[in-house]
Amino acid sequence: AQSVSQHNHHVILSEAASLELGCNYSYGGTVNLFWYVQYPGQHLQLLLKYFSGDPLVKGIKGFEAEFIKSKFSFNLRKPSVQWSDTAEYFCAVNAPGNTPLVFGKGTRLSVIA
Amino acid sequence: DAGITQSPRHKVTETGTPVTLRCHQTENHRYMYWYRQDPGHGLRLIHYSYGVKDTDKGEVSDGYSVSRSKTEDFLLTLESATSSQTSVYFCAISVGAGDTQYFGPGTRLTVL
Repeated sequence: AQSVSQHNHHVILSEAASLELGCNYSYGGTVNLFWYVQYPGQHLQLLLKYFSGDPLVKGIKGFEAEFIKSKFSFNLRKPSVQWSDTAEYFCAVNAPGNTPLVFGKGTRLSVIA
Repeated sequence: DAGITQSPRHKVTETGTPVTLRCHQTENHRYMYWYRQDPGHGLRLIHYSYGVKDTDKGEVSDGYSVSRSKTEDFLLTLESATSSQTSVYFCAISVGAGDTQYFGPGTRLTVL
């Protein structure tokens, strides 16, 4: 069975600090990978996705993620966070075919001034 | 934002009563999903549908049933609500199973 691990449950950063959130998955085949963001009181929105091609994926709001197949990882990065990035971040993975996404438990990011 | 609406947006009900949540989409996507979100558990898939009258169970399907009689509507029913079903419920849609999922605004359900 697939699983997705997000090891950081809560990250607290000061504004302008760099961000890296970890995501590891257990599936060994070809996968589609996603990062979603959920701002307080809102629904999940897509930040970025990887299906194939360049393993460095750029998303909205200055976020990027790097797919490292050998490490089964898809870490999310942002060079300089803002207070408005305070949210919960979810990694998700899906094996192509008729398999629904499997979500990690999420990482809560708090950005303080 | 994708055209997804959920109704009701908030509901308070009592233990033992039936509850139906509705998800409506205007995108004509084949796949529809119901998730529940609880602190410490992230998102958990309840049921999903891959076409009209075609549904399958997810990770936490016990106590829930679904129906999809039209492409645009996916109903989630709690036959006899329990306090453990207090949660925020999200509907999502996608073109295919491996494609990007788009989420609705959520329904906050409280079972007293």
